[in-house]
Amino acid sequence: ETGVTQSPTHLIKTRGQQVTLRCSSQSGHNTVSWYQQALGQGPQFIFQYYREEENGRGNFPPRFSGLQFPNYSSELNVNALELDDSALYLCASSLTSSAYEQYFGPGTRLTVT
Amino acid sequence: EDQVTQSPEALRLQEGESSSLNCSYTVSGLRGLFWYRQDPGKGPEFLFTLYSAGEEKEKERLKATLTKKESFLHITAPKPEDSATYLCAVVTGYALNFGKGTSLLVTP
Repeated sequence: ETGVTQSPTHLIKTRGQQVTLRCSSQSGHNTVSWYQQALGQGPQFIFQYYREEENGRGNFPPRFSGLQFPNYSSELNVNALELDDSALYLCASSLTSSAYEQYFGPGTRLTVT
Repeated sequence: EDQVTQSPEALRLQEGESSSLNCSYTVSGLRGLFWYRQDPGKGPEFLFTLYSAGEEKEKERLKATLTKKESFLHITAPKPEDSATYLCAVVTGYALNFGKGTSLLVTP
C-alpha cells in the first residue's frame, strides 16, 4: 500500500510569483484535503477535493486554488505569493469525503522571500 | 465556533517519567477526536480516533481517553524516541480542526 506523497519537498519563491504543489493520495483513497501549517501552529484547512470537485473550503482567499485528477491526485496552486504564505503545506487523503480519518503526506516547505 | 485547546504547550520529561497531555474541545456534535504525532519538518502521523465519551485506545506507551469536554493522551514510561509534537483535532465540516499541539521532549 502506497502512502501519501508530495512534491517538491522544498521550494523557494519570490513575492508575487505563483507556485504549484502536487500530491498523490494513498492507494484506495478518493478524497484529498490540503492544509497550511505555519511554524508553531497546528495545520489550518485550506480545502478538500472529492471526485474532482471542491468539497469544502477554509478561510483562505481565492488566490489559493486546487485541482483533483481522475486518478485522485491533486494540485494546490497559490497565485500572487505573499511573505505570510511561507509555511509547510500538507496534503491528506481519506477513504471517502465522509471518512474523517485523514492520512498526511510529508509536506512541502514553501519559503517566500 | 468549534475550538480545540491543547495544554501544556511544551513538556519536558525524564525517560520513564509518565505524564498526560490535555486536549479541551468545544464542538457542536462530536464526529470524532483525533490524535496525531508530528516530528519536526514532517507530516502528522495518525495515532488514534475516539468517537464517544468513555472510549479509550492504546498503542504501545500511549493511551488516549475521551470525556464530553476533553481528551487526554497518557504517556507511560516514555522513551527519547517519543519526543515529538502531539496534535489533537476534531471534525468541523469536512475538515480537521487542530489545536496548536504539545511539544514533548523526553531526555535520557
